[in-house]
Order: sequence, then structure tokens, then C-alpha cells
Amino acid sequence: QKEVEQNSGPLSVPEGAIASLNCTYSDRVSQSFFWYRQYSGKSPELIMSIYSNGDKEDGRFTAQLNKASQYVSLLIRDSQPSDSATYLCAAFGGSNYKLTFGKGTLLTVNP
Amino acid sequence: DVKVTQSSRYLVKRTGEKVFLECVQDMDHENMFWYRQDPGLGLRLIYFSYDVKMKEKGDIPEGYSVSREKKERFSLILESASTNQTSMYLCASSLGLAGQETQYFGPGTRLLVL
Repeated sequence: QKEVEQNSGPLSVPEGAIASLNCTYSDRVSQSFFWYRQYSGKSPELIMSIYSNGDKEDGRFTAQLNKASQYVSLLIRDSQPSDSATYLCAAFGGSNYKLTFGKGTLLTVNP
Repeated sequence: DVKVTQSSRYLVKRTGEKVFLECVQDMDHENMFWYRQDPGLGLRLIYFSYDVKMKEKGDIPEGYSVSREKKERFSLILESASTNQTSMYLCASSLGLAGQETQYFGPGTRLLVL
């Protein structure tokens, strides 16, 4: 069974710090990876997608992918209280149309 | 901008009732999905559809059925609602092309079954 594992947290960081969120996946053929942010009571919204090994930056967010280690991470620089949310990691494995989601990491940014 | 809408934000139903949850997307996406989300269990896929009138079971299809008569609309049906189906239900859609697997979510329907 394909699995995506995340630390459930909560992860607590002070405002302005770097928050590091990690994710591992079990299916070696996974090709595409996604980070979603979910505020309490709301639906997930896409932050970043990454397809190739290495880093991908978008504003304060950097996604990192290492397919050899089956590891994906999300770095949030200059964390803000508005970044406090649950972050979901997801992997797409191929022809079955489906994303496999982790259970999410709760991030709290303290003012 | 992709827009996925769901028919209700909140629903309260009685045990045994038949419940319809509707989802509409306006971006001509091929794939549509229904999930439920419960504390500690994460997102769990109920059913998905990759074309009109086509459907596939997800990880937890028991007690649910779906209908996709038009490309933009995907309905989730609880044939006889039970209290253990109290949950947040999320609909999503994706384009369905290689490299375009991003799923876009609707606002969710919080269902309470009494």
C-alpha cells in the first residue's frame, strides 16, 4: 500500500524563523509531489508542486525533493502567524489518477 | 482560476435518510474526487471519476455511491446515512494530464448525522 508519512506535530516556531516540514513516501514510482495548506475548518489549498530532484522556490516557500531518499520537504522562511495551519504532503504515483495524502503536520507560528 | 463548488457548507440529517452531496467544477477537468476528512485519520478517498459515467472505488467506498452524468458535476450519495458518516466531505478536481495532477478542492461540506 502506498503511504505518505508526515510528523503530526505540532511544530511550533517563533515568528520570523524558518519552519521545516518533512514528508517521506513509500512508492518509488511516485512522480509528482504537492504541498497543501489547510486552515482549521477550511479546505486544502495548493502551495507548491515539485516534480524534479532539487529545490523549487516560490516567495517564502521552498520545496525540496530527493527521490533517491524518497523524501520531500517544505521550508517556510520568515514564518508569520498567518502561516499557522496544517500542511499536507501528497504524492502522485502514476496511472491511477489518485494522490496519496499524508495526515498532515500542524504548524503554529508564535508572535 | 479553478473553481470547485459544493452544494452545502453544513448539513444535518437523520439516520437512515438518503443524502446527496453535489460538486461542480468550472474548469473542464477530467477527474473528480470525493474525500472525507476526520481528525487523526487525514483525507480518505471515497470515490473518483476520470470521465463522464466512469467511476472507481477509492479506499473507503462502503455506504456511498456516486454519479457523474455531466463532466462538470460529481455527486456523492449516502444511501442510508449513519452516525459514523458524520464528517467533513471534500470534493476535488484535476485536469487529468501528465504533469497536471494538481487537485483543487471545494470548500467542503460538514455533515452531521443524528
